[in-house]
Amino acid sequence: TQLLEQSPQFLSIQEGENLTVYCNSSSVFSSLQWYRQEPGEGPVLLVTVVTGGEVKKLKRLTFQFGDARKDSSLHITAAQPGDTGLYLCAGSTSGSARQLTFGSGTQLTVLP
Amino acid sequence: NAGVTQTPKFQVLKTGQSMTLQCAQDMNHEYMSWYRQDPGMGLRLIHYSVGAGITDQGEVPNGYNVSRSTTEDFPLRLLSAAPSQTSVYFCASRGRWGAETQYFGPGTRLLVL
Repeated sequence: TQLLEQSPQFLSIQEGENLTVYCNSSSVFSSLQWYRQEPGEGPVLLVTVVTGGEVKKLKRLTFQFGDARKDSSLHITAAQPGDTGLYLCAGSTSGSARQLTFGSGTQLTVLP
Repeated sequence: NAGVTQTPKFQVLKTGQSMTLQCAQDMNHEYMSWYRQDPGMGLRLIHYSVGAGITDQGEVPNGYNVSRSTTEDFPLRLLSAAPSQTSVYFCASRGRWGAETQYFGPGTRLLVL
């Protein structure tokens, strides 16, 4: 069983602060995805990274895939209350099914 | 497009009862999956399907059955509900090729007493 460990589990910060969420595994993934989930809703895909060392930016969010494709990070600059939510990383392996293994999530609260 | 729809949104069952959670997608996606989400444990894969007539077990399949008679529908059946099956259930779908976006339904909250 492939495991993805996310840290921290909970994060509460003030508006305007920066933060980084980590997603680590001992397994190699062919791609890694980051999702954001709001209460009462399903996760929504933010980004997919597929190349070791890849960096993707989505406005104030920066996603990085580790060189060895075993870890990833999500950095948010100048966090806003609208960034509040559960952030989930999910790794995909090669093969026909390419099912996702999810991390346990990071609950982010941005206080105004 | 409605995307991925799930019914019901909420359900309370007594131990031993059976029920079916419905999932439908209108994006002509071949891949469909069922996950359960429990506090502090992320999403765990229950069953998945790579196309009509084809299903396979995920990480936590015990106590659940699935079938895929059409591309659009992927129902999840609880044969004899247990309190350990209290959870939020999500259905998801995606296309076949590459690192495709996986679309999730809004979830079904299930309480087993």
